[in-house]
Amino acid sequence: DAKTTQPNSMESNEEEPVHLPCNHSTISGTDYIHWYRQLPSQGPEYVIHGLTSNVNNRMASLAIAEDRKSSTLILHRATLRDAAVYYCILPSSRWTGANNLFFGTGTRLTVIP
Amino acid sequence: GAVVSQHPSRVICKSGTSVKIECRSLDFQATTMFWYRQFPKKSLMLMATSNEGSKATYEQGVEKDKFLINHASLTLSTLTVTSAHPEDSSFYICSARVPGQLGTDTQYFGPGTRLTVL
Repeated sequence: DAKTTQPNSMESNEEEPVHLPCNHSTISGTDYIHWYRQLPSQGPEYVIHGLTSNVNNRMASLAIAEDRKSSTLILHRATLRDAAVYYCILPSSRWTGANNLFFGTGTRLTVIP
Repeated sequence: GAVVSQHPSRVICKSGTSVKIECRSLDFQATTMFWYRQFPKKSLMLMATSNEGSKATYEQGVEKDKFLINHASLTLSTLTVTSAHPEDSSFYICSARVPGQLGTDTQYFGPGTRLTVL
């Protein structure tokens, strides 16, 4: 399973953009990059995923390096509700046919009012 | 987005009893559901993959006789913690898979069940 590396924690001021980095130097050509986040005392929540091109949705943007060995999740304007642990994951395809998610330690984002 | 519910949200039980946790996909059918466990201040750990109509696939180190998983319908999977002990106290979270092309399928998570074994 390809491994990801993220900073343990980051801080951001409210209403400012946040760039959450993720390194995945052992990524294979077919691995998608997924981001999930977990708010306190809740189950994780899907944020975004991509393969090669940058991706945007209503929650965030995902910028993928040209060599795909790193990516950055961008929250364009952090709010207090964005305070969470953000996980960068490369789903593992198993014989079950479904992609399994193996969560690392993630990045704990603190948003300062 | 897809909604997944869990019941109960919290349960306290005595040591030696069994506890059942339900996971339901409310607005979609889920052929595959997953069960995770999370200890305080730790990350989620995948326990097992549950496929509708077949036996669950357990991750290494997870006792299948301790954590019974049943996925009898396309919208319901259950996890039963048998003969629970205090060390089983944890936050149990389920998810349901929304399939896509390989690598793109996403998971929608339930809100979690906090189990406390006295």
